[in-house]
Amino acid sequence: AQKITQTQPGMFVQEKEAVTLDCTYDTSDPSYGLFWYKQPSSGEMIFLIYQGSYDQQNATEGRYSLNFQKARKSANLVISASQLGDSAMYFCAMREDTNAGKSTFGDGTTLTVKP
Amino acid sequence: GAVVSQHPSWVICKSGTSVKIECRSLDFQATTMFWYRQFPKQSLMLMATSNEGSKATYEQGVEKDKFLINHASLTLSTLTVTSAHPEDSSFYICSATQGSRSGNTIYFGEGSWLTVV
Repeated sequence: AQKITQTQPGMFVQEKEAVTLDCTYDTSDPSYGLFWYKQPSSGEMIFLIYQGSYDQQNATEGRYSLNFQKARKSANLVISASQLGDSAMYFCAMREDTNAGKSTFGDGTTLTVKP
Repeated sequence: GAVVSQHPSWVICKSGTSVKIECRSLDFQATTMFWYRQFPKQSLMLMATSNEGSKATYEQGVEKDKFLINHASLTLSTLTVTSAHPEDSSFYICSATQGSRSGNTIYFGEGSWLTVV
């Protein structure tokens, strides 16, 4: 079974609207971290937001928030007030304490923001 | 500014030659560095885990004699693609971290585009 599943290969959103990118994960490790990265066409991986498995509150970073539902094993990324510069590939990733620090990435979601 | 620098950003090499890509942590000591390969529109595929002062741990299916990884210091890891072939053309990206716990921050380099002609 895939450890990280992103079911949306591509998403479109109107500028200034909010968008949710889905991510579900699978782990039996009680201690893990969930990450979201943005990858523009230049290739660099830009860290957006982090959620620890023991964190009680959902993480927020500016326009980014993570809707963490631990029982459902989902960690959806919400981008508010979309901007044209948000158009990129978005990856959800997980690190498990029992996996030697390795990150497992989902297949990614390509987000296109329409003017 | 970048905390992990990867060099070169772009490289074109002839088939059969070797090419080295460097990954440097600029203002922290990286106990562990990871090397990934990424094909267009696809996810990152972990190639190997590099720990300072020890041999790299390669993922299943990755040829360790072809993709030589050296982590000689706490701030530098190198990936050498030996006897490169056109099918090795890809985007290679490294990441670095100070620890292996799930909460340790991971920093990515800018990536290197390799084209083998």
